[in-house]
Amino acid sequence: EPEVTQTPSHQVTQMGQEVILRCVPISNHLYFYWYRQILGQKVEFLVSFYNNEISEKSEIFDDQFSVERPDGSNFTLKIRSTKLEDSAMYFCASPHGGQIMNTEAFFGQGTRLTVV
Amino acid sequence: RKEVEQDPGPFNVPEGATVAFNCTYSNSASQSFFWYRQDCRKEPKLLMSVYSSGNEDGRFTAQLNRASQYISLLIRDSKLSDSATYLCVVGTSGGSQGNLIFGKGTKLSVKP
Repeated sequence: EPEVTQTPSHQVTQMGQEVILRCVPISNHLYFYWYRQILGQKVEFLVSFYNNEISEKSEIFDDQFSVERPDGSNFTLKIRSTKLEDSAMYFCASPHGGQIMNTEAFFGQGTRLTVV
Repeated sequence: RKEVEQDPGPFNVPEGATVAFNCTYSNSASQSFFWYRQDCRKEPKLLMSVYSSGNEDGRFTAQLNRASQYISLLIRDSKLSDSATYLCVVGTSGGSQGNLIFGKGTKLSVKP
């Protein structure tokens, strides 16, 4: 089964610090997505990325957030100044072909971010 | 208004039981429908897509009623390994809601 790899698996950071979450999506996939899940809550869309550009973002994805594909393979989510409410599981998703709503999406194992 | 709404659960059932999960969605323009499974503190994994004609995969049967905006999942002869949270997921195109809208999930515990 294709695999999406995320690092780190768990990150603890102090409020106000910057964090970078990393994802290696499935090769040859063109669309990439970040989702988050606050403990006990539903999975929420953050941002989609296509052709090295943001194609869509949610209300959650404010100026504190940014995404990049720095080297053509890794896909990063940066939170500039973390808040307590940013504590959540962050999932990277790589759909099988095309846009995520049309096909099976493979999720990474997630990064659990804890802001203290 | 909740975009995708599911039974709150949890469901606690004995092995061998038949379990039904229900889901409703609010956006009539939704294009695709899925059931994902999520184990505790793990990532969601696709269980099955849901088609208007209904579809079956072994012990699992999914149905979609577009007129009622209703999706269901039936698990027959439940196993201990079926214990997980079942997520109803709806795909839409465009808009700030993103491409996949998740329900909160219904937790299933299958007991010996």
